[in-house]
Amino acid sequence: DAGVIQSPRHEVTEMGQEVTLRCKPISGHNSLFWYRQTMMRGLELLIYFNNNVPIDDSGMPEDRFSAKMPNASFSTLKIQPSEPRDSAVYFCASSTDRHSPLHFGNGTRLTVT
Amino acid sequence: AQSVTQLGSHVSVSEGALVLLRCNYSSSVPPYLFWYVQYPNQGLQLLLKYTSAATLVKGINGFEAEFKKSETSFHLTKPSAHMSDAAEYFCAVGNNNAGNMLTFGGGTRLMVKP
Repeated sequence: DAGVIQSPRHEVTEMGQEVTLRCKPISGHNSLFWYRQTMMRGLELLIYFNNNVPIDDSGMPEDRFSAKMPNASFSTLKIQPSEPRDSAVYFCASSTDRHSPLHFGNGTRLTVT
Repeated sequence: AQSVTQLGSHVSVSEGALVLLRCNYSSSVPPYLFWYVQYPNQGLQLLLKYTSAATLVKGINGFEAEFKKSETSFHLTKPSAHMSDAAEYFCAVGNNNAGNMLTFGGGTRLMVKP
């Protein structure tokens, strides 16, 4: 079990650029979550997929953010255009069902200058 | 609706002392409760979970938590702190109406003094 794999681990970009974060969930897990962690706001759920379908995207901050899950083994979170206030650690997590814990990746630390 | 409150964003204990991290939850239906730990530059890892079996739940690294329905609490304890326990700890709640979604508390940073 390789765990949830996120890439890149670190991303530094300039304001206005497009940023794409990637996630490979654990094989067999049918739920995938994107979280954002900042000092000010803590851990925020951005979007939740079940069987590749977005179930709840109410946490997505604004239209600049979009997420896709084209298949069971891959998801992306895109920010276009990026802004300095998007700087945070973005986590991907996956799970099998509501009784099961979330398995988190090691996160992508995004810095927008 | 569900929510989690962790009392104390920072807790400091001496090595060998009791660790007590507080978590209170709100849930309109029977909850599932989790404690996660986050070490620097890593994702969250599961410490333990409660899913309506025994009310006293034992987790990894000597941690345990007790579900108290009357107090809507799920406090995390460890009898004797170790330097390696220094990390951030998150309580989370889920329920049958929330699908697989968990609501996380704000986290408590545990510091262990030598």
